Amino acid sequence: NAGVTQTPKFQVLKTGQSMTLQCAQDMNHEYMSWYRQDPGMGLRLIHYSVGAGITDQGEVPNGYNVSRSTTEDFPLRLLSAAPSQTSVYFCASSFWGIGNQPQHFGDGTRLSIL
Amino acid sequence: KNEVEQSPQNLTAQEGEFITINCSYSVGISALHWLQQHPGGGIVSLFMLSSGKKKHGRLIATINIQEKHSSLHITASHPRDSAVYICAVSSQGNKLVFGAGTILRVKS
Repeated sequence: NAGVTQTPKFQVLKTGQSMTLQCAQDMNHEYMSWYRQDPGMGLRLIHYSVGAGITDQGEVPNGYNVSRSTTEDFPLRLLSAAPSQTSVYFCASSFWGIGNQPQHFGDGTRLSIL
Repeated sequence: KNEVEQSPQNLTAQEGEFITINCSYSVGISALHWLQQHPGGGIVSLFMLSSGKKKHGRLIATINIQEKHSSLHITASHPRDSAVYICAVSSQGNKLVFGAGTILRVKS
């Protein structure tokens, strides 16, 4: 059972480039989310989804796009990378709508924008 | 003021010591989560609790809903416990609000 898989693990981009961070889960979880982790700060929610075709913004959505065409996949797109988007990105998933659920996290993508 | 505050920010302990990490929150919650992150690694869920106390091996998590406070205890600490411990609360379904984390180093 792979759990939550994020690719790539590391990426270096130049300012203005675009890219997609991939996230896939094999647990049939309805809820998926993207967080960024910056030094000295807690993880912050970027976007989330409660099922295929449904997405919503989190706390820090600017500069990022998401889509949810399948239950398994929840890619995060950087439209025009900026140095302020240098961070570690985590994808997480859980069941939805049946009370409190533990979150399952991927191993993270370490992204540097030059 | 952050909605979730952890203390201490950094903690160094000797192997075998009893360790306590604290978490205070200012919002109503449906559950509180304790997470562990090893250096350069992913994030693992340790506990999810909404009342009382939970125990798993050498780890114990407690929560006091009235005081809006939770503690994570590690008994007989070991160098492999060195990690960042993160407190998070959920108040709107699955959305989590995170503390900044406590960096724990256990020396042998």
